[in-house]
Amino acid sequence: KAGVTQTPRYLIKTRGQQVTLSCSPISGHRSVSWYQQTPGQGLQFLFEYFSETQRNKGNFPGRFSGRQFSNSRSEMNVSTLELGDSALYLCASSTDRAYEQYFGPGTRLTVT
Amino acid sequence: KQEVTQIPAALSVPEGENLVLNCSFTDSAIYNLQWFRQDPGKGLTSLLLIQSSQREQTSGRLNASLDKSSGRSTLYIAASQPGDSATYLCAVTRTGGSRLTFGEGTQLTVNP
Repeated sequence: KAGVTQTPRYLIKTRGQQVTLSCSPISGHRSVSWYQQTPGQGLQFLFEYFSETQRNKGNFPGRFSGRQFSNSRSEMNVSTLELGDSALYLCASSTDRAYEQYFGPGTRLTVT
Repeated sequence: KQEVTQIPAALSVPEGENLVLNCSFTDSAIYNLQWFRQDPGKGLTSLLLIQSSQREQTSGRLNASLDKSSGRSTLYIAASQPGDSATYLCAVTRTGGSRLTFGEGTQLTVNP
C-alpha cells in the first residue's frame, strides 16, 4: 500500500504571495490532518478533515485554510505569506479519529 | 490544556546500549499515545501506538509502556544501533479527537 504523499516537496515563495500544498492519504483513509513544524514551536496542529468536512482546527490565523476532496485528497492554502510561515508542513492520514496516524514526507516551505 | 514533555532533550550513547526515553503528559484523559521517529528534514515514522486501555506495546527491539494514572510513557530501545540515531517524538490524542499533541522530542545519537 502506498504511503502518504505530499507535493511539492520544496517551495520557495516571496512574502505576500500565497501557496497551496497537496496531500494524498493512504488508500482507504478518510481523515487527513495538517501540522506545521518549526524549530521554535515544534509540531503544531493546523486542522483535520474527514469526509470533506473540517472536523477540528488549531490556533492559526485565517490565512491558513484547507479543504478535502471526495477522494480524500486534501489541500492547504496559506495566503499573504509571512517570513514566519517558513516551516515543514506535514500531513497525516488515518482511518478515523484517534486511530494510528501515518505521516507524509512533508513540504518544506521557505518564505523570503 | 494538554502539555507533553520529553526528557532528555538529547542523548548520546555507544552502540549496543539499552536505553529509555521518557514522555510525560499533564492531562490523563488521553485516548492513545503514539511514538514516532523523525530523521533530519524528513517526515514522521510511526513506531508504536498504545491505546489508553493498554499498558505496553512491543515491536522488534522497541517496547513502549503507558501509565495513564501517572501521565507517563517510556520507550525502551534494546541493543541500540547507529541506524537508531534520530529524533523520537511522543504524541497523545484526547478522547474523541484526532489532534496529536506532541512533545519536543529526544534527539538520539548512537555512536559506533
